[in-house]
Amino acid sequence: DAGVTQSPTHLIKTRGQHVTLRCSPISGHKSVSWYQQVLGQGPQFIFQYYEKEERGRGNFPDRFSARQFPNYSSELNVNALLLGDSALYLCASSPSGSSYNEQFFGPGTRLTVL
Amino acid sequence: GNSVTQMEGPVTLSEEAFLTINCTYTATGYPSLFWYVQYPGEGLQLLLKATKADDKGSNKGFEATYRKETTSFHLEKGSVQVSDSAVYFCALSDGRVTGGGNKLTFGTGTQLKVEL
Repeated sequence: DAGVTQSPTHLIKTRGQHVTLRCSPISGHKSVSWYQQVLGQGPQFIFQYYEKEERGRGNFPDRFSARQFPNYSSELNVNALLLGDSALYLCASSPSGSSYNEQFFGPGTRLTVL
Repeated sequence: GNSVTQMEGPVTLSEEAFLTINCTYTATGYPSLFWYVQYPGEGLQLLLKATKADDKGSNKGFEATYRKETTSFHLEKGSVQVSDSAVYFCALSDGRVTGGGNKLTFGTGTQLKVEL
């Protein structure tokens, strides 16, 4: 069975640009979450979507936005990129929004902002 | 708010040594607790989990017990291998139902290096 997939794998942008990251959850999973992992730190929660509705938002500026599509895939958008946005962006899926469910992570998208 | 504190690394051990990585948490409600592992250049993989007090999660020789009285979830393994070298993250998922969702709050990670 396919796991969580993310695209692209790597991305290089310059300050002020916009970026879109994509995620496909495990088949049958209806919840998708996004995390930012800065080098040397633990992942930080950005968003969670369940059944196409936002269920949680972390402490990130409005430059960060996301959405979930009818097929449960998701996009994370970041506008007006800053150097500090350079990180590994991880997508995770779970069957539902229950706290008992573990989240399954994709390999991540490495974003470098120059 | 919720938080997870892990022992700082790197932790360097010889093969077949005993491993303990300490993890303590602060949370309201009744969180579920997880250990994730991250190998170089890869995403996170779930290692084990526990969803209520006194539960013991175990996988691949690793184990951790959910201790509500000490708010801890320490990771242990009796005999580590070189292939266990990775970064280990302790995490919690808030047990409150309000608003739904199961966002994970992570610790900063502990790097483990196992040498021959």
